[in-house]
Formats: sequence, structure tokens, C-alpha cells
Amino acid sequence: EVQLVESGGGLVQPGGSLRLSCAASEFIFNKYSMRWVRQAPGKGLEWVASINPDGSEEYYVDFVKGRFTVSRDNAKNSLYLQMNSLRAEDTAVYYCARLSNHVCDIWGQGATVTVSS
Amino acid sequence: DIVMTQSPLSLPVTPGEPASISCRSSQGLFHSNGYNCLDWYLQKPGQPPQLLIYLGSNRASGVPDRFSGSGSGTDFTLKISRVEADDVGIYYCMQHLQVPLTFGQGTRLEIK
Repeated sequence: EVQLVESGGGLVQPGGSLRLSCAASEFIFNKYSMRWVRQAPGKGLEWVASINPDGSEEYYVDFVKGRFTVSRDNAKNSLYLQMNSLRAEDTAVYYCARLSNHVCDIWGQGATVTVSS
Repeated sequence: DIVMTQSPLSLPVTPGEPASISCRSSQGLFHSNGYNCLDWYLQKPGQPPQLLIYLGSNRASGVPDRFSGSGSGTDFTLKISRVEADDVGIYYCMQHLQVPLTFGQGTRLEIK
């Protein structure tokens, strides 16, 4: 079954760091761009970052630029989101999604990140 | 940034009746390659979003033909011809014409 599984979420203090992982299975990972999308508690969806198939191009929403880094390891079929200088407003469920013909056709179940002291 | 505005934000519907959700963008979403960069997603309770409609009017694999998308430029519509109980959730439009990608606020569909 084609799927994405996020891991690495948890509770972190303001100013701290966390690294999310997204493991892909049953598709040719290195053929697809990938996205991270988040959802704060009780709020809507918010795009965070995207990366192209070979990892040479990255895109970020302004409020995470300089703090978050998206990367991938195609040999391990894995996507990552390194989050530094975390703020309370970064508290959210973070979803990874596969990009196919410009749309997110496969989504993971999400990883919960809570930033609180 | 392109602002996406959905209406209504809440949509109570009787099963078997039709439903319609509007999505308007602050800039045109028509790409020079000949398609609209507008997609619709449904987030059912407790689940991640799922793709319903892509490029304005194309149903994703496995999506019932009760769902249809239309529109071009700045005005788009998602229609459900006959609402079923399983259609409950929050519907989002999203533009991918330019970065930052942006979503509408979401429309919560509930069964009367």
C-alpha cells in the first residue's frame, strides 16, 4: 500500500528544536516532490514547505524561513523537517504529502508538535 | 500572497440534497500551461485531508461522481449533487499557482 508515515513529534520548549521524519513506502520516492502542511489546533490547513524530487530546490512559507529546513534522503525513502527556534504558534499537527501533478494525492496521518514550557 | 476566500463557512445539508461551496482567489489561478491551479480537499473528522478535485475540475481517483468542480480565473465552485452522511467534514480549496501556497478557511459541512 502506498503510504507516508510521520514520526518525531512531541513536546518541546519554546526556542527548542525538533526533527520530523516522513517514511515513504510502495512508490518510487525519488520521482516525487514532497510537501509539509500543518494544522494548528482547531484551525485550517497551512502550507509550510516543499522540496523537489532530487532535493535541489526548497520552498518555504515566510514565517518559517530561517528556522525550518526541509530535506530528503532518497536512499532511505525519507523526508525530513528540521525545526529550530520553535515558538508556541508552531504548535500543530504536521502532515507530509506526496506531490503528483501539482497536487497532494497521498497524505500521512500527521505528527503532533507541541511547543510549550 | 494569494488570498483564498471560501463561502459559506458552515453548510448544514439534508441527506440527498445538493450542496455547493464557493472559493474565490485574490488573483487569477489560470496557468499559462492551460489549467487552473486550484484543488479541493476534504478533511473528515480525525483524518488527514484527502484530495477530491484537482486543477479546478478533475475528480481524483476513487472520488464519487457526485462531486464536481468548476470555475476558472478567480471563481471556483465545488458541488455535491446528493449529499450523503459520509460527506461530513471540512472542505478546503487550495491554490498552487505561486508560493506561498494558500488554502481557504475551510467550509464545514454537517448533516441536518
